[in-house]
Amino acid sequence: GAVVSQHPSRVICKSGTSVKIECRSLDFQATTMFWYRQFPKKSLMLMATSNEGSKATYEQGVEKDKFLINHASLTLSTLTVTSAHPEDSSFYICSAETSWSSSGKSSTDTQYFGPGTRLTVL
Amino acid sequence: AQTVTQSQPEMSVQEAETVTLSCTYDTSESNYYLFWYKQPPSRQMILVIRQEAYKQQNATENRFSVNFQKAAKSFSLKISDSQLGDTAMYFCAFMKENSGYSTLTFGKGTMLLVSP
Repeated sequence: GAVVSQHPSRVICKSGTSVKIECRSLDFQATTMFWYRQFPKKSLMLMATSNEGSKATYEQGVEKDKFLINHASLTLSTLTVTSAHPEDSSFYICSAETSWSSSGKSSTDTQYFGPGTRLTVL
Repeated sequence: AQTVTQSQPEMSVQEAETVTLSCTYDTSESNYYLFWYKQPPSRQMILVIRQEAYKQQNATENRFSVNFQKAAKSFSLKISDSQLGDTAMYFCAFMKENSGYSTLTFGKGTMLLVSP
């Protein structure tokens, strides 16, 4: 259980074009999804938090007009990198939050991650 | 704000041996959750183990166990009988308890190499 998919796994695009990345929770509903960016050999950097049916919350320094996030349903969030430039090349990872159940007790949520998307902007 | 520190950038261990990865954190929260995630070369983030701060008992998942010292704000991961497939980057993460969603704060990671 708690499987998250991400599509595409790799994308190469020309500078100035837009790229859409999809994140889906396959076997659970996720009220909240998160988008991260990861540079080589570095930790994950939270970009934004996506709540179903409402506007995303962006971290400081992340351009909301450049990284458009849509969370139209409880199983799908999309990240669109608009007018991509070479400096946007990176590994993008999404996660979806679900409840952890232990011995029948539901407690605070746990994040499960998608496999990531490698974006290369030429 | 919370911080998570992993002081070991790299660790090596031989197959079948035991290794411990360290993690310390700083928070003023009393209720929170701690996690260890692994990221193998495939770059898929995988949940290894989860600990609720209100529980004194250390979490275990098969060969993986933690040593949670709340007063010392320490949360180390012990991997027993190491296997080649354990080679990965390991991230310690903190999440505060919240009625809504809560974000994860990650450490910088420890690269673990398991050799034959």
